Amino acid sequence: SAVISQKPSRDICQRGTSLTIQCQVDSQVTMMFWYRQQPGQSLTLIATANQGSEATYESGFVIDKFPISRPNLTFSTLTVSNMSPEDSSIYLCSVELGQGFGNTEAFFGQGTRLTVV
Amino acid sequence: SQQGEEDPQALSIQEGENATMNCSYKTSINNLQWYRQNSGRGLVHLILIRSNEREKHSGRLRVTLDTSKKSSSLLITASRAADTASYFCATVRMGTGTASKLTFGTGTRLQVTL
Repeated sequence: SAVISQKPSRDICQRGTSLTIQCQVDSQVTMMFWYRQQPGQSLTLIATANQGSEATYESGFVIDKFPISRPNLTFSTLTVSNMSPEDSSIYLCSVELGQGFGNTEAFFGQGTRLTVV
Repeated sequence: SQQGEEDPQALSIQEGENATMNCSYKTSINNLQWYRQNSGRGLVHLILIRSNEREKHSGRLRVTLDTSKKSSSLLITASRAADTASYFCATVRMGTGTASKLTFGTGTRLQVTL
């Protein structure tokens, strides 16, 4: 199994500012995933982060808005830039052990509940 | 949209009763997974069923998969108050290459009352 520490657990931010969310895993993983969960909604994948390469973003998400770092095999950050109230969501990081082919369970951090005012 | 649909959106039952949640999806899949989320926190994996499997059990959980109908169901037997949570199905598409992507359903909010 994998234990994921995600912080901050929650934050209230002013519009126009940026917030960086950290995700630390207790084992080395090839890929890390960042999701957004808008209030009362399901999870939507923002991007996949591989160590040593640029993150791969899903349709509707861009690097300028959600820059991601992946400096090593156990750590990643997601920044929500130039925030607006529409960015108020829960942001979750996730990993799969092994090669990440979707053949095993995914492990999730406890999420960061972001409120933009 | 590739997102799956779940029904019901919300389900309220009494402790001891069984809870059944259904998930439908749109594409051919490699596997389907069920997750639980408590109060907007992180998700916890419950069970994974592969596309060549039809039924799987884990404790009080029973999952079925019908690939011809592109649907799955999650049954929780003898429910407890601690089962109160949101439940999501998630699919992994066939041929996703090197990056597996979980596509989540809309979720079912289960409330188990004493």
